[in-house]
Amino acid sequence: ILNVEQSPQSLHVQEGDSTNFTCSFPSSNFYALHWYRWETAKSPEALFVMTLNGDEKKKGRISATLNTKEGYSYLYIKGSQPEDSATYLCAFSGGTSYGKLTFGQGTILTVHP
Amino acid sequence: EAGVVQSPRYKIIEKKQPVAFWCNPISGHNTLYWYRQNLGQGPELLIRYENEEAVDDSQLPKDRFSAERLKGVDSTLKIQPAELGDSAVYLCASSQQGGDGYTFGSGTRLTVV
Repeated sequence: ILNVEQSPQSLHVQEGDSTNFTCSFPSSNFYALHWYRWETAKSPEALFVMTLNGDEKKKGRISATLNTKEGYSYLYIKGSQPEDSATYLCAFSGGTSYGKLTFGQGTILTVHP
Repeated sequence: EAGVVQSPRYKIIEKKQPVAFWCNPISGHNTLYWYRQNLGQGPELLIRYENEEAVDDSQLPKDRFSAERLKGVDSTLKIQPAELGDSAVYLCASSQQGGDGYTFGSGTRLTVV
């Protein structure tokens, strides 16, 4: 059974704060690590697909890093805004789960004005 | 380009009743997935189709759940009879065969009372 863990489970920050979340995943037979943002009543939105160890990707105020050797990824949000409030999901593919995504339980972010 | 379309958005049924969910994937996407997200957890794969063939249904509770993907396009997921524990969000996703990008629908939120 693959174990993908996210922390923290929930996070409350003030507008303008910078924040980060962690995703840990199996370090063997890695193929890709996905980050999604999921707002209530909407579709999960793909943020990043990361495949290379040491990879760093950026999209506006959001960035992510990847360490496949130790099995973790960080998602950073700089200068959080209320519209960043959502559930952030990471998902692993690789090993016997190649061809499907194994999700973490998500981090619920609430940004207070 | 239209995204992955799911219906209905919400469904409330009494236990022991049947229920069906429908998914229309992105045109040209050969691979279709059904995921279930229970409260406080990440989405878990129920079934994956490559065209019209179910290639991974190991997590589908086959005593009460069934799925089909006619002509390798639209898909239907059925529960009969529904139980209280089936209350969850059912997500459909699609991708190009062998591709890294998954596109999700907005899900069907099922409540069994």
